[in-house]
Amino acid sequence: SQQGEEDPQALSIQEGENATMNCSYKTSINNLQWYRQNSGRGLVHLILIRSNEREKHSGRLRVTLDTSKKSSSLLITASRAADTASYFCATDPAGQKLVFGQGTRLTINP
Amino acid sequence: GAGVSQSPSNKVTEKGKDVELRCDPISGHTALYWYRQSLGQGLEFLIYFQGNSAPDKSGLPSDRFSAERTGGSVSTLTIQRTQQEDSAVYLCASSFTTFGGEQYFGPGTRLTVT
Repeated sequence: SQQGEEDPQALSIQEGENATMNCSYKTSINNLQWYRQNSGRGLVHLILIRSNEREKHSGRLRVTLDTSKKSSSLLITASRAADTASYFCATDPAGQKLVFGQGTRLTINP
Repeated sequence: GAGVSQSPSNKVTEKGKDVELRCDPISGHTALYWYRQSLGQGLEFLIYFQGNSAPDKSGLPSDRFSAERTGGSVSTLTIQRTQQEDSAVYLCASSFTTFGGEQYFGPGTRLTVT
C-alpha cells in the first residue's frame, strides 16, 4: 500500500491564486519531500523537510509538517501557468528508499 | 553538470520480446533506483542499488524483470517476454545517499508493448 497519499487528486485554480496540496502518511519518517512532474516524465525535487521541522519555505513554496497527524501540506503562492504539473510527496518510512504517493494534478488556468 | 540520462526515450516492442533499458546516473552518486509509472499513476518502486551492497529487489513485479549495475555506475533494467501490462514509463533516479535524501530523476523511458 502507498505510504503517502495526496489530497486532492486533482486541483484546478486561476492564475494568481494559491494552491494547497496535502499529503498523509502512515509510519514514522525521517524526512518528507515534495517533487514536481511535468508531462509524465522525470520528477524534479522541490523541497525536503525533516521530521524535527514544522515549516519550510523556498521561493513561492511553503511546506508544513505535522508529525502528530502524519501529514504535510504544500502551498504554492501566486500561482503561474508554469506551475501546472503533478505534485508528489515522498517519505522514507524505513529510513532508506523513498515511497511516493499517487500525486495531485494541478492545473493553473490563465 | 550532467544529470541522469536514460535511453531509449521511447521503445515500442512486440509482446513476448525482451527489452533493455539503460540508465546513466550522476557521477559520484552511490545509490540508483528504478521506478515504474503507469499512465496517470504514482511511482512504483522496482529496485535499488547502493554501492557494492546487494540490491533491494523487493519491488520487482515478476521474475521477468531484472536489473544490474556495472562498475557502480551504469544500470540496465531488463524485461523478458514482455507483456502488455508492462507498458509504462520507466524512471531511473540516483542520489548521493539512500538515507531519505534528494533523488535526481532521469527523463524516463516510455515503453509500449503491442
